[in-house]
Amino acid sequence: QMQLVQSGAEVKKPGASVKVSCKASGYTFTTYDMHWVRQAPGQGLEWMGIINPSGGSTSYAQKFQGRVTMTRDTSTSTVYMELSSLTSEDTAVYYCARGTTLYYGTDVWGQGTTVTVSS
Amino acid sequence: IQLTQSPSSLSASVGDRVTITCRASQGISSYLAWYQQKPGKAPKLLIYAASTLQSGVPSRFSGSGSGTDFTLTISSLQPEDFATYYCQQLKSYPLTFGGGTKVEIK
Repeated sequence: QMQLVQSGAEVKKPGASVKVSCKASGYTFTTYDMHWVRQAPGQGLEWMGIINPSGGSTSYAQKFQGRVTMTRDTSTSTVYMELSSLTSEDTAVYYCARGTTLYYGTDVWGQGTTVTVSS
Repeated sequence: IQLTQSPSSLSASVGDRVTITCRASQGISSYLAWYQQKPGKAPKLLIYAASTLQSGVPSRFSGSGSGTDFTLTISSLQPEDFATYYCQQLKSYPLTFGGGTKVEIK
């Protein structure tokens, strides 16, 4: 069945970077875009950006421009989200989510990766 | 594009009809999705294109609207429907979510 499996929880110090992976299975990896969404403790959902696994093109929310990098490895059907210059405000659960054309939303989600930023 | 959901929370009983609204700061045609999220879980897609039910989602869920005003309706609330619901606009980047509506048991 279609699924996205994310890497495990991370604890980072302020100023560090984190790289979260999302491995896809059960469908053709390059056919669907991958979104990244985060959720701070007790807060709502925040869209971070999107990557097209076929060509590697990306679009990032302005809030994260310059700090986020989304990449993919087609040989392992895995996408990555790296966030740098971490602060406590980046403590959140990070989700990857699959989408086709935007109109159809995101129908398959990863289980989430908790990133904690603490000194 | 900003999305404003209302109410932010509501209390309802099993069997109640529940309506959640989502207003966009500018017209987004039908580029709107609704998600359900339970504590500790990833969001689940309920509706896309404002009114199309995602496969496998019970028919008690329905969506309507176009332009700037949208609604999610649960026709008869079931125990498993107590959760937080989010709308998301898919018209233009950055894709944005509403603030969420928490549906609690009365």
